[in-house]
Amino acid sequence: AQKVTQAQTEISVVEKEDVTLDCVYETRDTTYYLFWYKQPPSGELVFLIRRNSFDEQNEISGRYSWNFQKSTSSFNFTITASQVVDSAVYFCALSEVELTGGGNKLTFGTGTQLKVEL
Amino acid sequence: GAVVSQHPSRVICKSGTSVKIECRSLDFQATTMFWYRQFPKQSLMLMATSNEGSKATYEQGVEKDKFLINHASLTLSTLTVTSAHPEDSSFYICSARAGPWRDEQYFGPGTRLTVT
Repeated sequence: AQKVTQAQTEISVVEKEDVTLDCVYETRDTTYYLFWYKQPPSGELVFLIRRNSFDEQNEISGRYSWNFQKSTSSFNFTITASQVVDSAVYFCALSEVELTGGGNKLTFGTGTQLKVEL
Repeated sequence: GAVVSQHPSRVICKSGTSVKIECRSLDFQATTMFWYRQFPKQSLMLMATSNEGSKATYEQGVEKDKFLINHASLTLSTLTVTSAHPEDSSFYICSARAGPWRDEQYFGPGTRLTVT
């Protein structure tokens, strides 16, 4: 069974601080995908990144960066110089790679509520 | 591209009535659609996977007779909550996948259901 753990329920930071959101996953699959989504108060999920299990290179996109460490089954997300608009719930998710083409179910973590204050 | 819409965005209904929620892929054909439920301050829980033209596959613990899913076309899936009760009040989110070998899921904006 797949499992995603986001141990941080809520994080509060002051604007311009850096913040790292942790994500630890469990899977028996050797091939899988990892995702991060942002859910602002409006409720709509915003896709941030997808990483496949064969690609352990870290990625940077503007103020966002991701650290994928297969050895520790972690896929952490860092926001540099946080802004008030970053306030949202962030979900880490895991997907199997369904070779027969019919699956790809997403397993979500419980989410981390990030509050960025002035 | 890859836009998914949901209708309605909010609905309030009385206990015992049925409510239909539509999920549409606007600019692509979705062979597979997923329905999730999210209770306040909780994570998204997959309810069912729906493949066009076939019966939906429900997750353990989800009553298929209560949550009717129809995926009659490549751009539309519907979720009907039958005989709704207050405990069915939740945020329902659909997602759509463009094809069997496409891994990306595109999420709709969600439907907030309140049963009084």
